[in-house]
Amino acid sequence: ETGVTQTPRHLVMGMTNKKSLKCEQHLGHNAMYWYKQSAKKPLELMFVYNFKEQTENNSVPSRFSPECPNSSHLFLHLHTLQPEDSALYLCASSQETGTSVQPQHFGDGTRLSIL
Amino acid sequence: AQKVTQAQTEISVVEKEDVTLDCVYETRDTTYYLFWYKQPPSGELVFLIRRNSFDEQNEISGRYSWNFQKSTSSFNFTITASQVVDSAVYFCALSEATGYGGSQGNLIFGKGTKLSVKP
Repeated sequence: ETGVTQTPRHLVMGMTNKKSLKCEQHLGHNAMYWYKQSAKKPLELMFVYNFKEQTENNSVPSRFSPECPNSSHLFLHLHTLQPEDSALYLCASSQETGTSVQPQHFGDGTRLSIL
Repeated sequence: AQKVTQAQTEISVVEKEDVTLDCVYETRDTTYYLFWYKQPPSGELVFLIRRNSFDEQNEISGRYSWNFQKSTSSFNFTITASQVVDSAVYFCALSEATGYGGSQGNLIFGKGTKLSVKP
């Protein structure tokens, strides 16, 4: 099993659809993250979960709804998306120690296209 | 405010050339961490190195080396004798160490430098 697995790898959906992105980490980490990577923009942090509790929400529109049922799984529920939401969505995990910042380990991403 | 600038958008070199990717950062924190990640066409970001603000020693790992200079707020990355497999987008990132449960660990990324190594 690779460290961080994301499914699906590619997703095409209409603006009225509802779908979910899934992320699973097999590294025993306690923090998980969602990032958005658009063309010509830096990677943007969307959500952070530490010990399953959301600690950061970088002003993400409510049409993106995260869920973290346990420390190994992270979901991003999508509904009523806009064309500008088309991007690569990356999941990452890290082991937060409280004393130092640890590297984040990323999945391969889900390439999302909104029609 | 935190900021990471990678001024080079794209670099193209011929195999076996040395290449340096520049990274300049801004932060008000005295304790922070700097990272480099590689993103091949497959999409996954691969962690390359982490450096904390108290350790200015340069590091070498095989063909990769990093030059951290606090005086110029730079953390440059050099690939020696580049290979075609080095072709990727490289990201520099900054994270502040603001304490457990806060924004600690949140990465601020530069826009990336696309490196193309031609045979």
